Amino acid sequence: KQEVTQIPAALSVPEGENLVLNCSFTDSAIYNLQWFRQDPGKGLTSLLLIQSSQREQTSGRLNASLDKSSGRSTLYIAASQPGDSATYLCAVRRTSGTYKYIFGTGTRLKVLA
Amino acid sequence: DTEVTQTPKHLVMGMTNKKSLKCEQHMGHRAMYWYKQKAKKPPELMFVYSYEKLSINESVPSRFSPECPNSSLLNLHLHALQPEDSALYLCASSHPGLAGGPGLETQYFGPGTRLLVL
Repeated sequence: KQEVTQIPAALSVPEGENLVLNCSFTDSAIYNLQWFRQDPGKGLTSLLLIQSSQREQTSGRLNASLDKSSGRSTLYIAASQPGDSATYLCAVRRTSGTYKYIFGTGTRLKVLA
Repeated sequence: DTEVTQTPKHLVMGMTNKKSLKCEQHMGHRAMYWYKQKAKKPPELMFVYSYEKLSINESVPSRFSPECPNSSLLNLHLHALQPEDSALYLCASSHPGLAGGPGLETQYFGPGTRLLVL
């Protein structure tokens, strides 16, 4: 059974810092992995999607990497801003034959001005 | 237009009420999803529709009844809910892949409906 863990559960950093969020999954037979952002009481916004054949994806100040063999993905946020404060969730799709994403428990990020 | 809309934003209902949640998208996506999210927990998949046909039901109690009347619209009918069903209900959509299976593209989520069952 696929389990997805995110560490740390919460993180508070001063503005301007570069930071790394971690996502670990137990079954390396994944189809793809997505990183989402969720503001309190709101829906999810997709940040980056990495296919299983890819090693990383970049969008602006965000860079996500994927190491299937070790069951890990990281989300790197450069030059953090207060507007980055949110909960960040990773989600993995197990195989190509299913729509189901397994979500991690999330990292609550607070960037202090 | 990359927007998924959900109505209502908030809903309070008694355990004997019948209500419906509505989700709409105009991105041409043919896969639509219902998720349930409890506070400080990740979303949990409830239902998936692909080309207006129910593709996945994650063993959801029958008091939740999904409906996909057309390719842009997804409803969730609620009846005889329990207080533990109080949660944020999220709708999402995506392009399906070949033969109606999951596609490569990302899921787009709506803002959710905050449901409180008294």
